[in-house]
Amino acid sequence: KNEVEQSPQNLTAQEGEFITINCSYSVGISALHWLQQHPGGGIVSLFMLSSGKKKHGRLIATINIQEKHSSLHITASHPRDSAVYICAVTPNTGTASKLTFGTGTRLQVTL
Amino acid sequence: GAGVSQSPSNKVTEKGKDVELRCDPISGHTALYWYRQRLGQGLEFLIYFQGNSAPDKSGLPSDRFSAERTGESVSTLTIQRTQQEDSAVYLCASSLWDIAYNEQFFGPGTRLTVL
Repeated sequence: KNEVEQSPQNLTAQEGEFITINCSYSVGISALHWLQQHPGGGIVSLFMLSSGKKKHGRLIATINIQEKHSSLHITASHPRDSAVYICAVTPNTGTASKLTFGTGTRLQVTL
Repeated sequence: GAGVSQSPSNKVTEKGKDVELRCDPISGHTALYWYRQRLGQGLEFLIYFQGNSAPDKSGLPSDRFSAERTGESVSTLTIQRTQQEDSAVYLCASSLWDIAYNEQFFGPGTRLTVL
């Protein structure tokens, strides 16, 4: 079992829909990251959080440390949101803040 | 430049050849990470550098892989005697300081294809 699990693996939505991507992890963490990877492009960090909720534009990320669960929400989705969304954690063991990644959720938003 | 840069962007090589991949982190970022993403799979940690400390090499898949970093600047990832399973996108990231709460900034990656 992976230390970081995401669901769903693939998601298709129509423009304007509210989208939720889930991430569960099995290790103690210092921080959780949500990343966005566009086809052929690099990776952009969307959020880094260790508690509560963060909002940036139409994106909202929440985390529940007790339940070891985080969600990424996209409100009023748009085709330009089509990308792979990756959840990653910084385990709180060891000294390095290297990331452990989920396998990603591929989102396709259609008109 | 403002972001992390990597070169080359694409590299095609023959099995058995050595390759060298380069990463230029954001100026002033003391922590540097190498990750690998094989086709259809998630990202894997390879190696991390923090200042002048000994690097964390725990993610390197074999002794054919090595990396160096000059001070707090450029890093090179070297793969010797490349194999087809080394084909992947190799991503470099840097952060201001190596603590858990620092955002990592990713480069565009080098796509390596081993024929």
